[in-house]
Amino acid sequence: AQSVTQLDSHVSVSEGTPVLLRCNYSSSYSPSLFWYVQHPNKGLQLLLKYTSAATLVKGINGFEAEFKKSETSFHLTKPSAHMSDAAEYFCVVISGNTGKLIFGQGTTLQVKP
Amino acid sequence: SQTIHQWPATLVQPVGSPLSLECTVEGTSNPNLYWYRQAAGRGLQLLFYSVGIGQISSEVPQNLSASRPQDRQFILSSKKLLLSDSGFYLCAWRGTGQKNSPLHFGNGTRLTVT
Repeated sequence: AQSVTQLDSHVSVSEGTPVLLRCNYSSSYSPSLFWYVQHPNKGLQLLLKYTSAATLVKGINGFEAEFKKSETSFHLTKPSAHMSDAAEYFCVVISGNTGKLIFGQGTTLQVKP
Repeated sequence: SQTIHQWPATLVQPVGSPLSLECTVEGTSNPNLYWYRQAAGRGLQLLFYSVGIGQISSEVPQNLSASRPQDRQFILSSKKLLLSDSGFYLCAWRGTGQKNSPLHFGNGTRLTVT
């Protein structure tokens, strides 16, 4: 069965410093993985997706993620945090059988001025 | 391009009152449609999904129901709200037959049951 674990419930960085949000997955198939961002009282916006093409995936707003099969990880990074990046981030894997999305519990990113 | 609309954005309802939340999708045909609930400080829970008109699958037993009267319309309802129905409700869609594709979410409805 597929599962996803976000290793940090809360991450705090200073504006202009790098961001690292960690995600490990478990899947018996070649997984499809996504990162979503959710600002307060808003829906989820797709940041980027991995669907078995290039292992380094570039997304919107300067974010990128690297699929590492040997480590079963799909960590989200950004070289320089902006205040507007403060939000909740969800790592998601798709169940290969059903196509259902399996969400991590989310990581709250705080960006300090 | 495809867009998804949810309304209302916020709703405060007394316990025991009915509920109707609506979601519509534009710019695509025969989408798969989903209702999720997000409780405070918790992840997303899939409530219902639909692969076509009149076809509804329920993921968890609860006080809610869903209907799909038209191809691009998905409605979440309750006859009598409970306090535990409070939460943030999100509608989402995906193209038909695209099992490995991400979902596209609406802006959500914040429901407070008092």
